[in-house]
Amino acid sequence: EAGVAQSPRYKIIEKRQSVAFWCNPISGHATLYWYQQILGQGPKLLIQFQNNGVVDDSQLPKDRFSAERLKGVDSTLKIQPAKLEDSAVYLCASSEVGRGAGNTIYFGEGSWLTVV
Amino acid sequence: RKEVEQDPGPFNVPEGATVAFNCTYSNSASQSFFWYRQDCRKEPKLLMSVYSSGNEDGRFTAQLNRASQYISLLIRDSKLSDSATYLCVVNKGGGNKLTFGTGTQLKVEL
Repeated sequence: EAGVAQSPRYKIIEKRQSVAFWCNPISGHATLYWYQQILGQGPKLLIQFQNNGVVDDSQLPKDRFSAERLKGVDSTLKIQPAKLEDSAVYLCASSEVGRGAGNTIYFGEGSWLTVV
Repeated sequence: RKEVEQDPGPFNVPEGATVAFNCTYSNSASQSFFWYRQDCRKEPKLLMSVYSSGNEDGRFTAQLNRASQYISLLIRDSKLSDSATYLCVVNKGGGNKLTFGTGTQLKVEL
């Protein structure tokens, strides 16, 4: 079974430039997540979709970050304009929809962003 | 106070040793708990869920103490391949809203 696919794997941009990351979740997984992981920290949830609706975007810096999942399958996360502190790994993950807590979340390999 | 707190380590242990990690969480309404493993420059992967009664998977034992709001992971007979960062993860409620700790780094040495 194919896992969560992400691209690009690595990106270096200058501050104030823009960048976009793409994610294709595991087939059939209705829930999709974008996490930001800064070096030495645990992943932090940026946004969670269920199908094409947003479940939680409370920690998404909406002045510069945006995400969409228009057809309820793949998703794009955009940063514009980028700041130095956005340097991190952006992890996409997906899970099945469950009635309660506890469905396993599967992560992609991540998109490594360096802002210089 | 952070929602999920872990000692970042690193824990340097010899091969064959037993090592334990603890994690505390702040939200008493948290419903489910997990340990994820993250290898260097890789994505996190589920190691095991943590149940109230405690659970074991081979050399790994996880325990939950709801009264004290802490979770533990015990690794027996450590292997070199156990070297990784272990992330404590708490689900606050329905909808799979996971909060990750900063992770505890384990280095198993010869």
